[in-house]
Amino acid sequence: DAKTTQPNSMESNEEEPVHLPCNHSTISGTDYIHWYRQLPSQGPEYVIHGLTSNVNNRMASLAIAEDRKSSTLILHRATLRDAAVYYCIRAKETSGSRLTFGEGTQLTVNP
Amino acid sequence: EPEVTQTPSHQVTQMGQEVILRCVPISNHLYFYWYRQILGQKVEFLVSFYNNEISEKSEIFDDQFSVERPDGSNFTLKIRSTKLEDSAMYFCASSSRRGSYSPLHFGNGTRLTVT
Repeated sequence: DAKTTQPNSMESNEEEPVHLPCNHSTISGTDYIHWYRQLPSQGPEYVIHGLTSNVNNRMASLAIAEDRKSSTLILHRATLRDAAVYYCIRAKETSGSRLTFGEGTQLTVNP
Repeated sequence: EPEVTQTPSHQVTQMGQEVILRCVPISNHLYFYWYRQILGQKVEFLVSFYNNEISEKSEIFDDQFSVERPDGSNFTLKIRSTKLEDSAMYFCASSSRRGSYSPLHFGNGTRLTVT
């Protein structure tokens, strides 16, 4: 099962860091961890992905636990435009590029 | 930054009619996908397409659905005889490579309303 577990919702204040957790305790060695987000009335937007090492890009950082059973998406300074549903997805090598979306975490950013 | 574009943004059709949803993937991408999201529900995979054939499809993608790449730029999803339960947002996506390491780039969707 490619299931991940995320909190239903989180709140943050503008310009503060946000740490969005994800559990994927049954992850296998070749599964990548992808994060996407979906702003209201838009399609999913790729944020970041990784396998074992921590990853950084212009949008966010991804911290992956040493045992790979959990990961954290870090938004360094939240803005109002970061309010969205964030999806943590375990991308199985056997599934090719097929992504299984869960419920995600609804992030609210307070001004 | 290149993006996936979808047309129309909103399509209203009557039950039993055929609809074609259109997508222009990112130009150098080779793998194409359709997903859908019924209002208030999860984003669901429908089909993946590569080299002019379906690579994988979900149980949702039955005989009423078909996909086509009619030319070098467009990628279409056809629903032959729409049902009320086909009402949803339909998202097209593309990627440069296949595999769990390759991110997908999504369009902003077509809202299909079947009356």
